[in-house]
Amino acid sequence: QKEVEQDPGPLSVPEGAIVSLNCTYSNSAFQYFMWYRQYSRKGPELLMYTYSSGNKEDGRFTAQVDKSSKYISLFIRDSQPSDSATYLCAMSAVIRIFGTGTRLKVLA
Amino acid sequence: GAVVSQHPSRVICKSGTSVKIECRSLDFQATTMFWYRQFPKQSLMLMATSNEGSKATYEQGVEKDKFLINHASLTLSTLTVTSAHPEDSSFYICSASAGKAEAFFGQGTRLTVV
Repeated sequence: QKEVEQDPGPLSVPEGAIVSLNCTYSNSAFQYFMWYRQYSRKGPELLMYTYSSGNKEDGRFTAQVDKSSKYISLFIRDSQPSDSATYLCAMSAVIRIFGTGTRLKVLA
Repeated sequence: GAVVSQHPSRVICKSGTSVKIECRSLDFQATTMFWYRQFPKQSLMLMATSNEGSKATYEQGVEKDKFLINHASLTLSTLTVTSAHPEDSSFYICSASAGKAEAFFGQGTRLTVV
């Protein structure tokens, strides 16, 4: 079993939809949980990070961590075509482990 | 967010030559820098972790004599691909961390070995 599992997509949604991106993990030692956005041929950009369980909101983005289920989510409200990118989850105890990334396409 | 500058963004080199990629943290001191490799439509693969002033720690399967990493200061790390071969063609990305959860990424370097 991989330490971090993420559906690679692609995930296509209409503009304005609520998008839910998820990752599951197996290592209970992870404490920091991050979401990165990567546009084609660019380096990843940190979107949000949370420490331990709970929710964190930033504009149209909400990150959710459920440590009891070993499950994290990123919600994007009112999705825009400019949100089309690959979204990578990452988690860290000492070494940062990345998910494979989910390609999201928001259709205008 | 903090700024990490990676240079060059794109390089084409001949097989057998060496290529150096620089990663600089512009507005913070990076105690740790990470080097990743990314193949098309795949996730980041950690190659090595380097702490300033120490030897880099390489992930299993990464040849340390081929991918030379130097982290001479708190703002600069370099990755040198020695005796490059076409199979080394990839997207190389660095990230820099000041020790907290955030790691900020460079723009990436697309290496093509011909």
